[in-house]
Amino acid sequence: QLVESGGGSVQPGGSLRLSCAASGFSFSTLAIHWVRQAPGKGLVWVSRVSNDGTNTKYADSMKGRFTISRDNAKNTVHLQMNSLRDEDTALYFCMSTHGYWGQGTLVTVSS
Amino acid sequence: QAVVTQEPSLTVSPGGTVTLTCGSSTGAVTSGHYPYWFQQKPGQAPRTLIYDTTTKHSWTPARFSGSLLGGIAALSLSGAQPEDEADYYCSLSYNGATVFGGGTKLTVL
Repeated sequence: QLVESGGGSVQPGGSLRLSCAASGFSFSTLAIHWVRQAPGKGLVWVSRVSNDGTNTKYADSMKGRFTISRDNAKNTVHLQMNSLRDEDTALYFCMSTHGYWGQGTLVTVSS
Repeated sequence: QAVVTQEPSLTVSPGGTVTLTCGSSTGAVTSGHYPYWFQQKPGQAPRTLIYDTTTKHSWTPARFSGSLLGGIAALSLSGAQPEDEADYYCSLSYNGATVFGGGTKLTVL
């Protein structure tokens, strides 16, 4: 099971830190992704962290603004989002390798 | 960044068969792209049907199957049910970075 938290409303230029807490599986063996979905739109991949946290990848539009990290001792992945823009408004999901999904946390960026 | 293409919409008759496809702007899709297929119904989180081209989850109905066909990834549905009406997304991996397709809206009618 994956449970996201940390979403909320923020002004443009602001920051949020999302968390993804895992239970019920071997968390440290799986990579974790963040995926977002703007209202009425499709799925967009955001970022990925390897199982041991040493390798990270980002979508081009998130590079330099978002940072993904994980704490395997706490079975948690974080997504630090800085310099948020209106277009970052979306439901943010975490997903593991093999495709286990959380229910999402809503991020709204608006002045 | 690569572009992953899917049919915007498809219609299948109840009990019928349909194939959804997933192509890559970089060329042929291979098992090395680790194709995934997801189903999403309104108001719900996505659910993974297929991963690594052909592997099903325990919850994946037997009527769904994944494959590679002539350089594209494919999701086949045989014996469509009304509850299969949904949006379907594929994803491909490019050296650890993932790209989703734009999704296919499947209507069972």
